[in-house]
Amino acid sequence: AQTVTQSQPEMSVQEAETVTLSCTYDTSESDYYLFWYKQPPSRQMILVIRQEAYKQQNATENRFSVNFQKAAKSFSLKISDSQLGDAAMYFCAYRKVQGAQKLVFGQGTRLTINP
Amino acid sequence: NAGVTQTPKFQVLKTGQSMTLQCAQDMNHNSMYWYRQDPGMGLRLIYYSASEGTTDKGEVPNGYNVSRLNKREFSLRLESAAPSQTSVYFCASSRLQRGQPQHFGDGTRLSIL
Repeated sequence: AQTVTQSQPEMSVQEAETVTLSCTYDTSESDYYLFWYKQPPSRQMILVIRQEAYKQQNATENRFSVNFQKAAKSFSLKISDSQLGDAAMYFCAYRKVQGAQKLVFGQGTRLTINP
Repeated sequence: NAGVTQTPKFQVLKTGQSMTLQCAQDMNHNSMYWYRQDPGMGLRLIYYSASEGTTDKGEVPNGYNVSRLNKREFSLRLESAAPSQTSVYFCASSRLQRGQPQHFGDGTRLSIL
C-alpha cells in the first residue's frame, strides 16, 4: 500500500522569507500524481500545486514550487516570499494514475508565519 | 459557484444514534469521495464512488454506509454512532480524466457523546 510521510509536524518562518516543507512517499508504481493541499483555519481544503510523476520538470504556481525527486521518492514544497495568509496546515497527497483516484494523505505540517 | 456542498456543518449525536451526512456537487463530476480527518492525522478515505452506480470501500469503512443517489449526490450514513467516529468529515469530487484534482467541501464537524 502507498504511504505518505510528512516528518515536520510544525514549521515557522518570518514573513517575506522562504520555507520548505518536506514530504516522502512510498509506492511501487512508476506513474502517479502528487499534490500539496492547504487547509487554513476555515477548514477548507485548497489545492496548492500538483506534479505528474512522468514529468521531470518541477511544478510551479506563483510563489509555490516543488522539488520532485522521483528516485528518492521525495516531494517538497517551497513557499517564497511568505505571507501571513500562507499560515495553514499543509498536506502532501499521493494518487495512482490507474484505478480508483483516491488520495493518500500525509499527516500534515502546521505552518506559522511570524510578522 | 457552489462546488461541493456538505450538510450539516456541525452535528452532535449521542452514542447509538443514526445520522446521514449529505454531499452534493454541481460540477458534473463522475467521482465522489468521503474522508474523515482526525487530530494530528491527514484525511483518510472512508468510501468512494468512481462513477454513478458504483461504490467501494476505502481505508476506514467500518461503521459507515454510503449511497450514490445520482451523479450529483453522495451520502454517508452512520447507523449506530460511536465516540470513535467523532471527527471532521469531508466530501470531495473529481472528474475521471487523468490528472484531475479533487475538489473538497467545507467539512462537517461531528461529535458523538
